[in-house]
This record gives sequence, C-alpha cells and structure tokens, in this order.
Amino acid sequence: DSGVTQTPKHLITATGQRVTLRCSPRSGDLSVYWYQQSLDQGLQFLIQYYNGEERAKGNILERFSAQQFPDLHSELNLSSLELGDSALYFCASSVGLKAGAEAFFGQGTRLTVV
Amino acid sequence: GESVGLHLPTLSVQEGDNSIINCAYSNSASDYFIWYKQESGKGPQFIIDIRSNMDKRQGQRVTVLLNKTVKHLSLQIAATQPGDSAVYFCAETSGGSYIPTFGRGTSLIVHP
Repeated sequence: DSGVTQTPKHLITATGQRVTLRCSPRSGDLSVYWYQQSLDQGLQFLIQYYNGEERAKGNILERFSAQQFPDLHSELNLSSLELGDSALYFCASSVGLKAGAEAFFGQGTRLTVV
Repeated sequence: GESVGLHLPTLSVQEGDNSIINCAYSNSASDYFIWYKQESGKGPQFIIDIRSNMDKRQGQRVTVLLNKTVKHLSLQIAATQPGDSAVYFCAETSGGSYIPTFGRGTSLIVHP
C-alpha cells in the first residue's frame, strides 16, 4: 500500500457527462500529480499541485481541471466526456516538488465512457 | 516534446533466468532516469534510478545501465521470479523538470 488513496476505483459514465476523481496524498506529502494512462498513449502527465498551488502542467485538456484543497487532497474534474477519455487516471504524491523516486502512486481510477 | 520509448513490448522468461528490459530515449538533455514496475491493477512503483553522470547502478536483484552515447537504458533483473511479472516503464527528466516523461512500457512474463 503506497499510502495514496484514490476514489472511486471504477467509474462508468456516458459521453457528455462530468465526473470528479478524488485523491488523498500520503500523510505529509505536499505535492499531488495526476496522470492519465491509456492503451495508445501510455502514462501521460496531466498536472501537478504543490501546497494548494498549480505547479506544473502537462498534456491536460481544457475540458479537464484540477484543484488541491487546504487539507491537501486533490480532485480532477473531467467534463464533456468523450469515448477517448476512457483510461486509468493515477494520482501520485511526494513531499516536495520532485516526482521521481520520491513520488508514490495510488491504485488509480478506471474511467469508462460509454 | 521528445519521447522515451521501448524496444520490446513483451518479454517472456523462465523463472530463475536473468531478464533484460531495454529503453531508448531521444532527448540528449535527459539527466535523470527512472525504472518503474506496474503490476496488474496497481499504480507504478519506483524500482531504481540513475543520474546521467553515472553509467551503472545496482539495487537488490536489479541493475540499471545507462549508455549516453547511444541514448540507451536497460534494466537487468537477476534470478527473475514469478512476482516480477509486470509492466516495466522507463522514464526520464531533463532541463530542470522534476516531472518524468514515461516510455510506453514492456510487459515481462515470468514462466514458472
């Protein structure tokens, strides 16, 4: 168990809908990272928050947004969902700003858009 | 941006054999490399890392080799066990970024 908790584990929704994925980082970690893992794109970095502030942005679509709350948990909001958004969404956390050896991943949320 | 890729999508080995998973990268400015293991139903898990000023680093049953001349990275697993069956990703950072760029992954299958 990495200590990073993601909910829900599975989510099935229809095209055009909006969903919210939640991540609770490890105790003491200030950074949260979101990744998308699809079959054809591998693991893609979406966005990083550090202590409530957006820190780095990757290949995140405009239909997606995220935030980190004062208690350091984070939410990833996906709207106007398309079939191609079906993927595993991972959250990772680390104490500082580095996402290499210092980051721990959650078990992911599997999103299926039908 | 530049990408990280893998030579072999699937590697099958017998239990007890040594495994070698390869990775090619294209960014000559890459300065930090990481190997991750992802088991079915789980998130990626850090295995070992290496900085560009090194060419070899050893961990417990794992060794990472870095050849900067040909931009090649490999992960060697000694005495492979069924529990090593997973997808292995290489990743790299460059230019002061702390966010790794992941390769596409190699599936390692260990036969008992």
